[in-house]
Order: sequence, then structure tokens, then C-alpha cells
Amino acid sequence: EEQLVESGGGLVQPGRSLRLSCAASGFTFYDYAMHWVRQAPGKGLDWVSSIDWNSDNTAYADSVKGRFTISRDNAKNSLYLQMNSLRAEDTAFYYCAKDSGSLLGTSLNSWGHGTLVTVSS
Amino acid sequence: SYVLTQPPSVSLAPGQTASITCGGKNIGSESVHWYQQKPGQAPVLVIHYATDRPSGIPERFSGSNSGDTATLTISRVEAGDEADYYCQVWDSSSDHYVFGPGTKVTVL
Repeated sequence: EEQLVESGGGLVQPGRSLRLSCAASGFTFYDYAMHWVRQAPGKGLDWVSSIDWNSDNTAYADSVKGRFTISRDNAKNSLYLQMNSLRAEDTAFYYCAKDSGSLLGTSLNSWGHGTLVTVSS
Repeated sequence: SYVLTQPPSVSLAPGQTASITCGGKNIGSESVHWYQQKPGQAPVLVIHYATDRPSGIPERFSGSNSGDTATLTISRVEAGDEADYYCQVWDSSSDHYVFGPGTKVTVL
């Protein structure tokens, strides 16, 4: 069974940094592109960032470009999101999601349960 | 950037058919994907590439896509179908994934 488990969320002050991790199991991690999608409480889904299977290509939402960095370690079956210069509007549940394919541009066919990031002083 | 529109809500009785639309400029030429999110749960892919059902998704879920509108259809709606439904495309002009604002389906 495919499983994605996010960790690293919590309460952080504005302007500080946080690193999210996603541990993958139940599938061949290096075969698939991976994503981060967030959802503010009571709001809709908001795509954050994506990375293809071998890290050659990454993509970022305009709202996080230059502040967030996505990365992966295929040897450790893990996905990461380094979040710097955090703002109150970054407060959300952050979901790790697996792509249907190895390159960017398709569907997200497996999701973790999310980790909550709260940015507040 | 590419913008998707969805009706905020759809309400219907059990056994009826729900049609949830997703509007976008020439969306008929795009690969559209649909996700179901029940309260307190992670999203689940229910339709990909506009018309295909992933394994495990009931046949009651179907999709179509033409012109400026993609549609997710849920036949014989059940109480368990109550959820938020989101459409999604890949905007190749900006290399961005785009989600629609979501439609809340309520089964009366």
C-alpha cells in the first residue's frame, strides 16, 4: 500500500524557517514526480511546488518562489520542503503528494494526511 | 496564469445525478483531473485525464471535457459522496499546477 507521511510542521514566528519532510513507502519512489500542496483552514487546495523524478525539473507557485525550496533524496525515499521567510499567509496544512508519472504535468494520485504549519508571533 | 472556475456548491437528494462543472479557457484541450476531499481527510483522485477512473473509484463517477467546460458527473448520489470536489490542470505556459476553487456537494 502506498503511504506518504509528512512531518516537520508546527508553530513558527514570521520571518523564520521550517523544513518539512515526507517519508514515502509502498512504491518505487524514484519513479515518480512529487508535490507539495497546501490548504489553509477552511479554504481550497493551493499548489506549492513540484519536483520530477531525478530532480532535474522543479516548479514553484509564484507566492513561494524564492522563499521555498523543494528537494528529494531517492536513496532515502524522502521529499522535503525548505520554507524560509515564512509569512502569516503560509499558515496551512501541507500535503505531500505522489504524481501519476515521472515528469511534471500530470495528476496527483496519492496523498499524505498533511502536517500543519502555523506562522504566528 | 490559467484560471479555473467552479460553482461553490451543489445540493441534491440521494439517487439524483450531480454535475460539477470546471470552467477554463479552451479547457477541452487540457488534461483535467478531479479530486474528492471529505471533511478532515486528504484529497483522493477520482478522475484523471478528464474521463478515466483510477482503480477503486466507483463507476458512478465519470467525466467529460469539451470547449471551455469540464464536467464531473456523480450518478445515483449517496450520502457518502458528500465532499468538496476540485478540478486541476497543468498550465504548461507557466509550469504551474492549477486547482479550481472547489465545489461542495451536499446530499440532502
